Amino acid sequence: AQKVTQAQTEISVVEKEDVTLDCVYETRDTTYYLFWYKQPPSGELVFLIRRNSFDEQNEISGRYSWNFQKSTSSFNFTITASQVVDSAVYFCALSEAGHNNNDMRFGAGTRLTVKP
Amino acid sequence: EPEVTQTPSHQVTQMGQEVILRCVPISNHLYFYWYRQILGQKVEFLVSFYNNEISEKSEIFDDQFSVERPDGSNFTLKIRSTKLEDSAMYFCASSETHSTGELFFGEGSRLTVL
Repeated sequence: AQKVTQAQTEISVVEKEDVTLDCVYETRDTTYYLFWYKQPPSGELVFLIRRNSFDEQNEISGRYSWNFQKSTSSFNFTITASQVVDSAVYFCALSEAGHNNNDMRFGAGTRLTVKP
Repeated sequence: EPEVTQTPSHQVTQMGQEVILRCVPISNHLYFYWYRQILGQKVEFLVSFYNNEISEKSEIFDDQFSVERPDGSNFTLKIRSTKLEDSAMYFCASSETHSTGELFFGEGSRLTVL
């Protein structure tokens, strides 16, 4: 069974600091997908990134970057020069390709607070 | 940009009442899902639906829950007799394929059971 662990329940930083959100996953499948979603105070889920298990290339999108390491089963998310608007709960999620559907499983989430 | 829409955004109901949450998935998507998020907790998978039948469901999705695609556009989640612990945010999602492409989530329906 797939499992996603986000050990950091809450993180608080001051604006302009860099912050890394950790995600560790477990799966028996060799083909799987990893995701990050942002949930702002308004409650909706905002897709940030999808990464498949065969693509370990790190990705950068503006102030966001992701570090995927299969050797440690981790898919960490870094926000550079954080801003108050980054305050949200961030969820890491895993989906195994062996299933006939996308029953994506989420981690418990990390609440990020960015203070001005 | 196409999006998943959900109604109502917030519903308050009495314990024991039936509730129907509605979702309009993205039009060319074939796979549909319901997820639940109890306040302050993780997002939990409830059920997936394809070709007019349930393809997978979690242990949360007991006999009180049912899903239906009554027409070509709507995808509904029914809770027959609500309990206090059903209070949560319910997210509908859809995807184009089953090959674990991105799930597109709606903005959620908040259910409050009194």
